[in-house]
Amino acid sequence: GQNIDQPTEMTATEGAIVQINCTYQTSGFNGLFWYQQHAGEAPTFLSYNVLDGLEEKGRFSSFLSRSKGYSYLLLKELQMKDSASYLCAAMDSNYQLIWGAGTKLIIKP
Amino acid sequence: DGGITQSPKYLFRKEGQNVTLSCEQNLNHDAMYWYRQDPGQGLRLIYYSQIVNDFQKGDIAEGYSVSREKKESFPLTVTSAQKNPTAFYLCASTPLIDHSGNTIYFGEGSWLTVV
Repeated sequence: GQNIDQPTEMTATEGAIVQINCTYQTSGFNGLFWYQQHAGEAPTFLSYNVLDGLEEKGRFSSFLSRSKGYSYLLLKELQMKDSASYLCAAMDSNYQLIWGAGTKLIIKP
Repeated sequence: DGGITQSPKYLFRKEGQNVTLSCEQNLNHDAMYWYRQDPGQGLRLIYYSQIVNDFQKGDIAEGYSVSREKKESFPLTVTSAQKNPTAFYLCASTPLIDHSGNTIYFGEGSWLTVV
């Protein structure tokens, strides 16, 4: 079956760095997405990886290892506004997105 | 500006009542989707459509119905057969042939509550 696993909740301190991990199993693979979602709002796009390696975009970076079925989202210089849920989603061979349950990130002062 | 419009933002359903959520896009996207999200959960696919007059069931289609009479519109009806409809509903659209990167557009979402 198809499956996405990510931690339910993480806590970090303002100004610090946090890494949110995601493992996936899909029928075929056409890329790995990370989205940020604040409560009661639609997800907003953060990153897309289809090749192995690290993609850096400002304070956020995303890493992919296709052989391991593994990705992580790295958030640097954490700000209070980064408190949100972070959704990992993998696209299968039919171009359908398989969504993880999301990781709730709590930022403390 | 192009975008995807979902309405209403908040909707209340009485027992035994059907309700319809609207989703309209002017992005000329071929594919449209409906997702359900329960608190603390990820998105679960209800229905999707890749072409006018055709749609496919997702993982949790029971108790829901859709139509795709126009490319721009993909309304979702929550029927009385859906016994636990209280959730956050999201509509999305994508171009059919470009699935890379930031090509998934979401509506603002609709909160449905049973009263």
